[in-house]
Amino acid sequence: AQSVTQPDIHITVSEGASLELRCNYSYGATPYLFWYVQSPGQGLQLLLKYFSGDTLVQGIKGFEAEFKRSQSSFNLRKPSVHWSDAAEYFCAVGPFQGAQKLVFGQGTRLTINP
Amino acid sequence: DVKVTQSSRYLVKRTGEKVFLECVQDMDHENMFWYRQDPGLGLRLIYFSYDVKMKEKGDIPEGYSVSREKKERFSLILESASTNQTSMYLCASSFGLAGYNEQFFGPGTRLTVL
Repeated sequence: AQSVTQPDIHITVSEGASLELRCNYSYGATPYLFWYVQSPGQGLQLLLKYFSGDTLVQGIKGFEAEFKRSQSSFNLRKPSVHWSDAAEYFCAVGPFQGAQKLVFGQGTRLTINP
Repeated sequence: DVKVTQSSRYLVKRTGEKVFLECVQDMDHENMFWYRQDPGLGLRLIYFSYDVKMKEKGDIPEGYSVSREKKERFSLILESASTNQTSMYLCASSFGLAGYNEQFFGPGTRLTVL
């Protein structure tokens, strides 16, 4: 069964516009949540993570994400995108399999129009 | 900074060849992972290891094996490469309980099997 869903495979936004990338999960308890970014030709880099406490978390590169338990969501946002934000974004949830692994979503590819 | 390196960025092999992908991390992490990344499927876990000489199957272990003889090195082996193993392979490492902690990724190896 799918544990993490990123409903949008590909999103295009204009430079300077706001951005929201969706992540939905199914998990029995409070999950540990992560957002990663993969720039072209690169490995994945952590943007931010949520473990507990304040449900709005700040990350690097001006990104933030909000944990909404009632909606089983952890959406990533940025108020104004830059051309350098063009990349693939992955949501991840854990722990699974005896606290030994994370499960990653399918990814959302972000294209920026000039 | 944690550094995860992979032996090759690009690799081209013939069907039936034995293929070795090497990964090295320099932060004394207990956990190491091999993922396969395909468009629309996100990251899928092949194998992981939480200690030297220990290994656990991930979600798609068929056709692969792994070796971890030293803490810093984790090798992925394709015993007899097939065209459906053409993909991007990502190595990652983490400390502690893997399901709770950030994973650090290498740049990936793009493998083509002809």
